[in-house]
Amino acid sequence: GAVVSQHPSRVICKSGTSVKIECRSLDFQATTMFWYRQFPKQSLMLMATSNEGSKATYEQGVEKDKFLINHASLTLSTLTVTSAHPEDSSFYICSASVSSYNSPLHFGNGTRLTVT
Amino acid sequence: DAKTTQPTSMDCAEGRAANLPCNHSTISGNEYVYWYRQIHSQGPQYIIHGLKNNETNEMASLIITEDRKSSTLILPHATLRDTAVYYCIVRVARSGNTGKLIFGQGTTLQVKP
Repeated sequence: GAVVSQHPSRVICKSGTSVKIECRSLDFQATTMFWYRQFPKQSLMLMATSNEGSKATYEQGVEKDKFLINHASLTLSTLTVTSAHPEDSSFYICSASVSSYNSPLHFGNGTRLTVT
Repeated sequence: DAKTTQPTSMDCAEGRAANLPCNHSTISGNEYVYWYRQIHSQGPQYIIHGLKNNETNEMASLIITEDRKSSTLILPHATLRDTAVYYCIVRVARSGNTGKLIFGQGTTLQVKP
């Protein structure tokens, strides 16, 4: 159980275009989802926390108008990278958890974004 | 959330136990210790977590010191597939407001034949 699916696994886009990444919890309802990005040879960096039905909370230094997060249902959150630039090329990973005091976050397998 | 300190890298012989240490000297009473691992180009995989008691599951054991200032993840019989970056994370879990995970640099475990 506790499967988080992320789509697409890889995407290449041209500079200036927007890209949407989907994160789904397949067998549980996730009241909270988290979005991370990871550059080569670095650790995961938390970008934002999204709660179903409310606005996302962004970490310091993350542009909310560039990285649009929508958490419209208990099983789906989306991250849209708007007006992508080559420096946005990275590995984007989502995670999800039930609203339980003592339950782990489960992660998707990530999306490799390359902006040309 | 409390910070953690882990060795940058460790080696382990295949079939032997891998013991990965973690220091979290500023941990608070309501903070859990979580362990994840990440194999190259994949999302992190949950391993185990605990508050103050030792825990064991099918993947590993977690030993937490009595003062909770450090812990050790034990992979009892390491295989080549256990080669990964292992992250020890301290997390506040609040009912109705799932605590976020802040990743440090982790320990790169290399299991050798």
